Amino acid sequence: SAVISQKPSRDICQRGTSLTIQCQVDSQVTMMFWYRQQPGQSLTLIATANQGSEATYESGFVIDKFPISRPNLTFSTLTVSNMSPEDSSIYLCSVEDPSIRGDTQYFGPGTRLTVL
Amino acid sequence: AQTVTQSQPEMSVQEAETVTLSCTYDTSESNYYLFWYKQPPSRQMILVIRQEAYKQQNATENRFSVNFQKAAKSFSLKISDSQLGDTAMYFCAFMKQEGAQKLVFGQGTRLTINP
Repeated sequence: SAVISQKPSRDICQRGTSLTIQCQVDSQVTMMFWYRQQPGQSLTLIATANQGSEATYESGFVIDKFPISRPNLTFSTLTVSNMSPEDSSIYLCSVEDPSIRGDTQYFGPGTRLTVL
Repeated sequence: AQTVTQSQPEMSVQEAETVTLSCTYDTSESNYYLFWYKQPPSRQMILVIRQEAYKQQNATENRFSVNFQKAAKSFSLKISDSQLGDTAMYFCAFMKQEGAQKLVFGQGTRLTINP
C-alpha cells in the first residue's frame, strides 16, 4: 500500500505564528485530504486537495487560515496560520490510492500541534 | 447531512473474548461506503474493514467482521479472539459513493483489551 509520511511529527508553537505541515506519498495519488482531530475528539475534514486545482474547503474552514498547496501527485502542504491555542490538534493527511482500492482513504501518521 | 453515532465511548474486555462495537448512521443516500478505522495509542489511523452499501454480504477481514443492517442503518464491528494489540480507538465512518469523497466520522469507541 502507499506509504504516507508527515513532517513534522509534532511541534510546539507560539500563538500568532504559522506552521506548515508536509504530507509525502510514495506513489502518485489523485486525491489528498487534510483532517483535524482536536483533543479527545473525532476527525473533521478540513479540505480536499487535488493537483492542479484549488483546494476545496469544508464549512467552517477558510483558505486564509488553512492555506493548502498541492504541487504534484505525491506531495501536499497544509499551513496553520496565525495560530491560537484552539488550533492545538492532530492534523492528518489521507490519500485515496486507486492501485489498492478506490473510494478508500489511507492516513498518514499525523502531526501533533500544540499552541501556547 | 450525514451523521455517524457511536454510542459506546469506552469498552473493556479480556483477551481472547469477542467484542462488538456499535455504530449507527443517518443518511438519505442509497449508495455509500462504511468503514471502521483503528487508531492505536501511537495515533496512526489504520483501515480495519470496508463495506459497500450495495452488498448484502457482510465484510470480513480475519478476526474482524461487520454486521451491516442497511434498513436499520446499523454497522457494528465484531472482533473475535481479541488480542492486546487490538487496544485502540475505533472510529466508524461514512462516505457517499457519489460526489465529494468526504469521510464523516463517529465520535469513537475506546477499546481496551485486558490480559
